[in-house]
Amino acid sequence: AQSVTQLGSHVSVSEGALVLLRCNYSSSVPPYLFWYVQYPNQGLQLLLKYTTGATLVKGINGFEAEFKKSETSFHLTKPSAHMSDAAEYFCAVRNTGTASKLTFGTGTRLQVTL
Amino acid sequence: DGGITQSPKYLFRKEGQNVTLSCEQNLNHDAMYWYRQDPGQGLRLIYYSQIVNDFQKGDIAEGYSVSREKKESFPLTVTSAQKNPTAFYLCASSQTSGGRGTQYFGPGTRLLVL
Repeated sequence: AQSVTQLGSHVSVSEGALVLLRCNYSSSVPPYLFWYVQYPNQGLQLLLKYTTGATLVKGINGFEAEFKKSETSFHLTKPSAHMSDAAEYFCAVRNTGTASKLTFGTGTRLQVTL
Repeated sequence: DGGITQSPKYLFRKEGQNVTLSCEQNLNHDAMYWYRQDPGQGLRLIYYSQIVNDFQKGDIAEGYSVSREKKESFPLTVTSAQKNPTAFYLCASSQTSGGRGTQYFGPGTRLLVL
């Protein structure tokens, strides 16, 4: 079965600093990978996804992620953090060929300080 | 606008009571999902349905039941057998063909025990 590990349950950055949220997955076949963002007491919003093709994926709000098969990673980055980026971020994996089920990581809460 | 609606936003359950959470989508998606979210545990799949009149148990189905009589609707009942129902419940939907497994989420229902 596939799994997702998000390193760091809490990450704090200064406004304007680089954001790096880590995600590693395990899968026996090439996966589909997703990053979602959740603001307090709201549902999840899709940030970006990797299915096939270009390994560097750009998403909304200036975020991007790079699929690295050799490292089984899909880390999320943003060059310059903004206060509005403070939220919880979830990485998820779907194995190709299965029902459209996703396996989620436990989430990383991003804090942005002045 | 297409989307997923969940109601109510807050729900209170008394001891021994069954309660039903509503989930409706107008995205014409075939698949629908129910997740439970607890602090620090990410999202756990309760039930999912890929087609009308069919559904499968997820990872934590005990104490829950669902129905899928219409494509647009996937209500979740939290039964009295669920001894620890306090959580944030999220409904999602996706296309089963195409869409690469992307799930779209509703705003959630917070269930509290009186």
